[in-house]
Amino acid sequence: DTGVSQNPRHKITKRGQNVTFRCDPISEHNRLYWYRQTLGQGPEFLTYFQNEAQLEKSRLLSDRFSAERPKGSFSTLEIQRTEQGDSAMYLCASSSLPDAEAFFGQGTRLTVV
Amino acid sequence: AQSVTQLGSHVSVSEGALVLLRCNYSSSVPPYLFWYVQYPNQGLQLLLKYTSAATLVKGINGFEAEFKKSETSFHLTKPSAHMSDAAEYFCAVRKTGNQFYFGTGTSLTVIP
Repeated sequence: DTGVSQNPRHKITKRGQNVTFRCDPISEHNRLYWYRQTLGQGPEFLTYFQNEAQLEKSRLLSDRFSAERPKGSFSTLEIQRTEQGDSAMYLCASSSLPDAEAFFGQGTRLTVV
Repeated sequence: AQSVTQLGSHVSVSEGALVLLRCNYSSSVPPYLFWYVQYPNQGLQLLLKYTSAATLVKGINGFEAEFKKSETSFHLTKPSAHMSDAAEYFCAVRKTGNQFYFGTGTSLTVIP
């Protein structure tokens, strides 16, 4: 499978715990995006990388959220001190050329109890 | 400011009937526009995209969309709905800076 891969698919965590999600983009794609999607809503943009550079992170929801793409390949999204309001689907996408579409992974569904 | 607006959060059609899902964009320059489909607990799958090459864009599964600059619209249509078309549909715009912004989605129900 050469699509965007996200792990884990599901994560249940207790409030206050830290969680980390991983995204492996399509190998030749230099752009990588993180989105959050809550029930009944469209994907909400969080952050964006071009290669290893994080070009936009102002949309990260709070300072508890951080993302990295250390070698310009896979990326991780970390949420520290999780809250119940963080429960959502976290989607990763990648793309290549400026006019190209984004290819999405299957998402990681986070439930904070 | 909202970049794309999807009119109608829920649309129901009979099997075999025309599907029309509405999307209007707000942009000072011609944008790149996309329609995605999402099935339950899945990621988003591209249906079609507009990148200024042609105003009528054909996509997968019999869907098409027409870019109308005068109306700032990019509505999605399919002549004959199939049960398998039941899903959530999202219109999206890609702006300079490369971020994709999505509408709030339209849930399509197909009635047998």
